[in-house]
Amino acid sequence: DTGVSQDPRHKITKRGQNVTFRCDPISEHNRLYWYRQTLGQGPEFLTYFQNEAQLEKSRLLSDRFSAERPKGSFSTLEIQRTEQGDSAMYLCASSLGRGKGTEAFFGQGTRLTVV
Amino acid sequence: GQQLNQSPQSMFIQEGEDVSMNCTSSSIFNTWLWYKQEPGEGPVLLIALYKAGELTSNGRLTAQFGITRKDSFLNISASIPSDVGIYFCAGVNYGGATNKLIFGTGTLLAVQP
Repeated sequence: DTGVSQDPRHKITKRGQNVTFRCDPISEHNRLYWYRQTLGQGPEFLTYFQNEAQLEKSRLLSDRFSAERPKGSFSTLEIQRTEQGDSAMYLCASSLGRGKGTEAFFGQGTRLTVV
Repeated sequence: GQQLNQSPQSMFIQEGEDVSMNCTSSSIFNTWLWYKQEPGEGPVLLIALYKAGELTSNGRLTAQFGITRKDSFLNISASIPSDVGIYFCAGVNYGGATNKLIFGTGTLLAVQP
């Protein structure tokens, strides 16, 4: 296991369709984060899991967004009824969550384009 | 969402020059992280800082955790073309009410060979 893996790398969808992204964190990392990044901006926090528990959600995460981490390993982020404003890079990160293992490591991201 | 202030916003330098950038916040953090991001890729962790006043190096990169815990600095010495990218700081309060990373607005670095 060499790092955080995200799938797909790119997704083009029509407005109104649902999309789902997957994130596989580094093995044994119990914290998992989802971020969204638009052009020219830094990543913005969406939600965070400790093991399977979703401990925090940003107000950016509207009712159309849902994230799960059912077994405390991989996570999925679903966007329902996509809108053009959802077009962005969706980034996943994981960390050990204790001591100096608190550094978060990011995946390569999923670029979503809503047309 | 909340973002930290980074400066400068962009830098265009010659190969071999040294670079300095900083990140400031209105709130304190107990951890500062510096990342580099290249086009179409996720951020890559460069340096992590855990104590106020701490100075940490990673090759040609040196970063400092500000004494006030509200700022951090990153220096790159003897820049090379592969240093090109966007550099982001991130502040974290691990163990607190939230463990999320708050990112800066980024510094775009361009290096002329």
